[in-house]
Amino acid sequence: GNSVTQMEGPVTLSEEAFLTINCTYTATGYPSLFWYVQYPGEGLQLLLKATKADDKGSNKGFEATYRKETTSFHLEKGSVQVSDSAVYFCALDLDSNYQLIWGAGTKLIIKP
Amino acid sequence: NAGVTQTPKFRVLKTGQSMTLLCAQDMNHEYMYWYRQDPGMGLRLIHYSVGEGTTAKGEVPDGYNVSRLKKQNFLLGLESAAPSQTSVYFCASSYSLAGAYEQYFGPGTRLTVT
Repeated sequence: GNSVTQMEGPVTLSEEAFLTINCTYTATGYPSLFWYVQYPGEGLQLLLKATKADDKGSNKGFEATYRKETTSFHLEKGSVQVSDSAVYFCALDLDSNYQLIWGAGTKLIIKP
Repeated sequence: NAGVTQTPKFRVLKTGQSMTLLCAQDMNHEYMYWYRQDPGMGLRLIHYSVGEGTTAKGEVPDGYNVSRLKKQNFLLGLESAAPSQTSVYFCASSYSLAGAYEQYFGPGTRLTVT
């Protein structure tokens, strides 16, 4: 079946460190891939997306590249800030239905 | 422009009680969704709606009912609450299909069933 696997958290980093949060997926067909972010006490919001292989999504210094050969969509940021502390969710969508398939979320903690 | 709002923000119920969660959006979106979020499980879709007057089951619909009488509102009902329904509930809306367009989320409702 279709699924999304994220690295378990929490991930704890110091400010200005390099961030990678791994996301791999299993899907039939050609999904679109997303990263959503949930700041403390808030709902989720779209961070970035990619709709086809080799696309790179980027926003707020975060990037992720849709790698079909490794079925991955890893989230990266070159220098994290305390304000990046949040839970990050990877998700995929198949055009055949209305549902997003979600990963379990990865909590990121940035220490000053 | 309020986006997606949810009422209430917190609620404690006793087993067997009923309640309704209200979701409202002011973006004229066709699609609306109810999710529950549990630790370590990400988001699971409860029910969704593709337009006024229509609803459909998601991944975990048992124990919940929904209604979409007006385009801007999507109600989630629990007829007889159970401790297993303790969760954080999120409503979301989107202009069109989930993949093509961003889903906008409300701030969530934290429900505890004792």
